[in-house]
Amino acid sequence: DTGVSQDPRHKITKRGQNVTFRCDPISEHNRLYWYRQTLGQGPEFLTYFQNEAQLEKSRLLSDRFSAERPKGSFSTLEIQRTEQGDSAMYLCAITGMNTEAFFGQGTRLTVV
Amino acid sequence: GEDVEQSLFLSVREGDSSVINCTYTDSSSTYLYWYKQEPGAGLQLLTYIFSNMDMKQDQRLTVLLNKKDKHLSLRIADTQTGDSAIYFCAERGDDKIIFGKGTRLHILP
Repeated sequence: DTGVSQDPRHKITKRGQNVTFRCDPISEHNRLYWYRQTLGQGPEFLTYFQNEAQLEKSRLLSDRFSAERPKGSFSTLEIQRTEQGDSAMYLCAITGMNTEAFFGQGTRLTVV
Repeated sequence: GEDVEQSLFLSVREGDSSVINCTYTDSSSTYLYWYKQEPGAGLQLLTYIFSNMDMKQDQRLTVLLNKKDKHLSLRIADTQTGDSAIYFCAERGDDKIIFGKGTRLHILP
Protein backbone atom coordinates (compact mmCIF):
# COMPACT_ATOMS: atom_id res chain seq x y z
CA ASP A 1 0.00 0.00 0.00
CA THR A 2 1.60 3.22 -1.20
CA GLY A 3 -1.07 5.51 0.21
CA VAL A 4 -2.32 6.41 -3.28
CA SER A 5 -5.30 4.76 -4.97
CA GLN A 6 -5.98 5.20 -8.68
CA ASP A 7 -9.11 4.27 -10.57
CA PRO A 8 -9.59 2.67 -12.99
CA ARG A 9 -6.54 0.45 -13.32
CA HIS A 10 -7.19 -0.09 -17.01
CA LYS A 11 -9.19 1.84 -19.58
CA ILE A 12 -9.75 1.02 -23.23
CA THR A 13 -11.45 3.73 -25.24
CA LYS A 14 -12.16 4.58 -28.83
CA ARG A 15 -10.33 7.45 -30.45
CA GLY A 16 -12.26 10.68 -30.01
CA GLN A 17 -13.90 9.70 -26.73
CA ASN A 18 -13.34 11.52 -23.44
CA VAL A 19 -11.86 9.72 -20.43
CA THR A 20 -11.46 10.68 -16.79
CA PHE A 21 -9.10 9.16 -14.24
CA ARG A 22 -9.23 9.57 -10.49
CA CYS A 23 -6.51 9.68 -7.85
CA ASP A 24 -7.31 9.28 -4.15
CA PRO A 25 -4.53 9.97 -1.67
CA ILE A 26 -5.04 7.90 1.45
CA SER A 27 -2.04 9.05 3.43
CA GLU A 28 -1.38 12.52 4.80
CA HIS A 29 0.42 14.46 2.09
CA ASN A 30 1.57 17.82 0.84
CA ARG A 31 1.52 17.80 -2.96
CA LEU A 32 -0.22 15.71 -5.62
CA TYR A 33 1.39 15.05 -9.02
CA TRP A 34 0.28 13.56 -12.32
CA TYR A 35 2.77 11.80 -14.60
CA ARG A 36 2.55 9.93 -17.87
CA GLN A 37 4.73 6.92 -18.71
CA THR A 38 5.07 5.32 -22.13
CA LEU A 39 6.82 2.04 -22.87
CA GLY A 40 10.56 2.20 -22.36
CA GLN A 41 10.49 5.68 -20.89
CA GLY A 42 10.63 7.19 -17.45
CA PRO A 43 7.62 9.00 -16.01
CA GLU A 44 7.08 12.43 -17.57
CA PHE A 45 5.74 15.26 -15.44
CA LEU A 46 2.30 16.59 -16.40
CA THR A 47 1.13 18.79 -13.52
CA TYR A 48 1.02 19.17 -9.75
CA PHE A 49 -1.19 20.60 -7.04
CA GLN A 50 -0.57 22.01 -3.63
CA ASN A 51 -3.92 21.78 -1.88
CA GLU A 52 -6.48 22.98 -4.46
CA ALA A 53 -4.00 25.12 -6.38
CA GLN A 54 -2.55 23.81 -9.64
CA LEU A 55 0.94 25.22 -9.48
CA GLU A 56 2.60 24.03 -12.66
CA LYS A 57 1.61 22.45 -15.95
CA SER A 58 3.96 20.80 -18.41
CA ARG A 59 3.97 21.66 -22.09
CA LEU A 60 2.98 18.00 -22.55
CA LEU A 61 -0.43 18.93 -21.12
CA SER A 62 -2.23 20.03 -24.28
CA ASP A 63 -5.57 21.83 -24.29
CA ARG A 64 -7.27 18.44 -24.40
CA PHE A 65 -5.97 17.63 -20.92
CA SER A 66 -7.38 19.09 -17.74
CA ALA A 67 -6.69 18.26 -14.12
CA GLU A 68 -8.65 19.31 -11.09
CA ARG A 69 -8.43 18.95 -7.36
CA PRO A 70 -11.61 20.59 -6.13
CA LYS A 71 -11.34 20.08 -2.39
CA GLY A 72 -7.63 19.57 -1.99
CA SER A 73 -7.98 15.81 -1.54
CA PHE A 74 -8.75 13.59 -4.57
CA SER A 75 -7.82 14.68 -8.09
CA THR A 76 -9.12 13.93 -11.57
CA LEU A 77 -7.36 13.99 -14.92
CA GLU A 78 -9.57 14.30 -17.99
CA ILE A 79 -8.50 13.77 -21.58
CA GLN A 80 -10.89 15.02 -24.21
CA ARG A 81 -11.06 13.74 -27.80
CA THR A 82 -8.51 11.02 -27.11
CA GLU A 83 -5.87 10.20 -29.71
CA GLN A 84 -3.83 7.02 -30.15
CA GLY A 85 -0.77 8.92 -28.93
CA ASP A 86 -2.46 9.34 -25.56
CA SER A 87 -2.07 5.60 -24.90
CA ALA A 88 0.16 5.39 -21.84
CA MET A 89 0.24 4.69 -18.11
CA TYR A 90 -1.00 7.68 -16.11
CA LEU A 91 0.51 7.85 -12.66
CA CYS A 92 -0.47 9.86 -9.61
CA ALA A 93 1.99 10.61 -6.83
CA ILE A 94 1.98 12.35 -3.48
CA THR A 95 4.80 13.81 -1.48
CA GLY A 96 4.48 13.09 2.19
CA MET A 97 5.24 15.31 5.11
CA ASN A 98 8.59 13.54 5.38
CA THR A 99 9.54 14.21 1.74
CA GLU A 100 9.05 10.68 0.41
CA ALA A 101 7.23 10.59 -2.92
CA PHE A 102 4.79 7.69 -3.32
CA PHE A 103 3.11 6.58 -6.51
CA GLY A 104 -0.17 4.84 -7.16
CA GLN A 105 -0.40 1.74 -9.34
CA GLY A 106 -1.41 3.86 -12.30
CA THR A 107 -4.18 3.83 -14.90
CA ARG A 108 -3.22 2.17 -18.18
CA LEU A 109 -5.01 3.87 -21.06
CA THR A 110 -5.33 2.21 -24.46
CA VAL A 111 -6.86 4.25 -27.26
CA VAL A 112 -8.06 2.12 -30.18
CA GLY B 1 16.47 22.58 -18.20
CA GLU B 2 16.58 19.80 -15.67
CA ASP B 3 17.74 16.42 -16.90
CA VAL B 4 18.49 13.03 -15.38
CA GLU B 5 20.65 10.49 -17.20
CA GLN B 6 21.06 6.76 -16.58
CA SER B 7 22.57 3.90 -18.51
CA LEU B 8 19.82 1.77 -20.02
CA PHE B 9 20.98 -1.76 -19.18
CA LEU B 10 22.99 -3.61 -16.55
CA SER B 11 23.66 -7.34 -16.32
CA VAL B 12 24.87 -8.82 -13.03
CA ARG B 13 25.46 -12.37 -11.83
CA GLU B 14 23.27 -13.57 -8.99
CA GLY B 15 25.04 -12.98 -5.68
CA ASP B 16 27.24 -10.17 -6.99
CA SER B 17 26.70 -6.48 -6.24
CA SER B 18 24.84 -4.27 -8.71
CA VAL B 19 25.76 -0.62 -9.08
CA ILE B 20 23.38 1.64 -10.98
CA ASN B 21 24.59 5.14 -11.78
CA CYS B 22 22.76 8.38 -12.43
CA THR B 23 23.73 11.95 -13.21
CA TYR B 24 21.52 15.02 -12.90
CA THR B 25 21.82 18.64 -13.86
CA ASP B 26 19.68 20.62 -11.39
CA SER B 27 22.03 22.04 -8.78
CA SER B 28 19.06 23.05 -6.64
CA SER B 29 17.92 19.45 -6.18
CA THR B 30 17.05 18.82 -2.58
CA TYR B 31 15.95 15.18 -2.67
CA LEU B 32 17.09 12.32 -4.85
CA TYR B 33 15.10 9.12 -5.15
CA TRP B 34 15.50 5.56 -6.39
CA TYR B 35 12.42 3.68 -7.59
CA LYS B 36 11.95 0.07 -8.72
CA GLN B 37 9.41 -0.90 -11.36
CA GLU B 38 8.52 -4.49 -12.20
CA PRO B 39 6.64 -5.36 -15.41
CA GLY B 40 3.10 -4.01 -15.42
CA ALA B 41 3.45 -2.51 -11.97
CA GLY B 42 3.70 0.98 -10.53
CA LEU B 43 6.76 2.65 -9.08
CA GLN B 44 8.01 1.37 -5.74
CA LEU B 45 10.02 3.86 -3.71
CA LEU B 46 13.21 2.06 -2.65
CA THR B 47 15.09 4.82 -0.90
CA TYR B 48 15.85 8.51 -1.01
CA ILE B 49 18.63 10.83 0.11
CA PHE B 50 18.78 14.50 1.05
CA SER B 51 21.19 16.59 -0.98
CA ASN B 52 23.20 17.43 2.16
CA MET B 53 24.04 13.74 2.72
CA ASP B 54 26.85 11.72 1.13
CA MET B 55 25.62 8.23 1.82
CA LYS B 56 22.62 6.31 3.02
CA GLN B 57 22.44 2.60 3.75
CA ASP B 58 19.30 0.53 4.13
CA GLN B 59 19.79 -3.24 4.38
CA ARG B 60 21.12 -4.38 0.97
CA LEU B 61 20.85 -0.90 -0.54
CA THR B 62 23.54 1.76 -0.40
CA VAL B 63 23.07 5.18 -1.97
CA LEU B 64 26.09 7.38 -2.66
CA LEU B 65 25.76 11.05 -3.61
CA ASN B 66 28.52 13.20 -5.05
CA LYS B 67 26.87 16.61 -5.09
CA LYS B 68 29.86 18.33 -6.68
CA ASP B 69 29.70 16.03 -9.72
CA LYS B 70 25.88 15.67 -9.51
CA HIS B 71 26.32 11.90 -9.49
CA LEU B 72 24.11 9.43 -7.64
CA SER B 73 24.54 5.68 -7.40
CA LEU B 74 22.55 2.77 -6.02
CA ARG B 75 24.40 -0.34 -4.91
CA ILE B 76 22.43 -3.54 -4.36
CA ALA B 77 24.42 -6.09 -2.41
CA ASP B 78 23.98 -9.84 -3.00
CA THR B 79 21.76 -9.33 -6.03
CA GLN B 80 18.88 -11.80 -6.24
CA THR B 81 16.57 -12.84 -9.08
CA GLY B 82 13.80 -10.80 -7.44
CA ASP B 83 15.88 -7.67 -8.02
CA SER B 84 15.30 -7.98 -11.76
CA ALA B 85 13.40 -4.80 -12.68
CA ILE B 86 13.80 -1.30 -14.07
CA TYR B 87 15.37 1.18 -11.64
CA PHE B 88 14.61 4.88 -11.94
CA CYS B 89 16.66 7.71 -10.54
CA ALA B 90 14.72 10.92 -9.83
CA GLU B 91 15.56 14.36 -8.51
CA ARG B 92 13.34 16.94 -6.89
CA GLY B 93 14.01 20.61 -6.36
CA ASP B 94 11.37 23.04 -5.20
CA ASP B 95 8.65 21.72 -7.42
CA LYS B 96 8.38 18.77 -9.77
CA ILE B 97 10.21 15.45 -9.67
CA ILE B 98 12.27 14.66 -12.77
CA PHE B 99 12.98 11.05 -13.73
CA GLY B 100 15.64 9.34 -15.77
CA LYS B 101 14.69 6.82 -18.46
CA GLY B 102 15.47 3.90 -16.16
CA THR B 103 18.11 1.17 -15.98
CA ARG B 104 16.97 -2.37 -16.73
CA LEU B 105 18.74 -4.75 -14.35
CA HIS B 106 19.15 -8.27 -15.71
CA ILE B 107 20.27 -11.05 -13.36
CA LEU B 108 22.47 -13.78 -14.81
CA PRO B 109 22.30 -17.24 -13.19
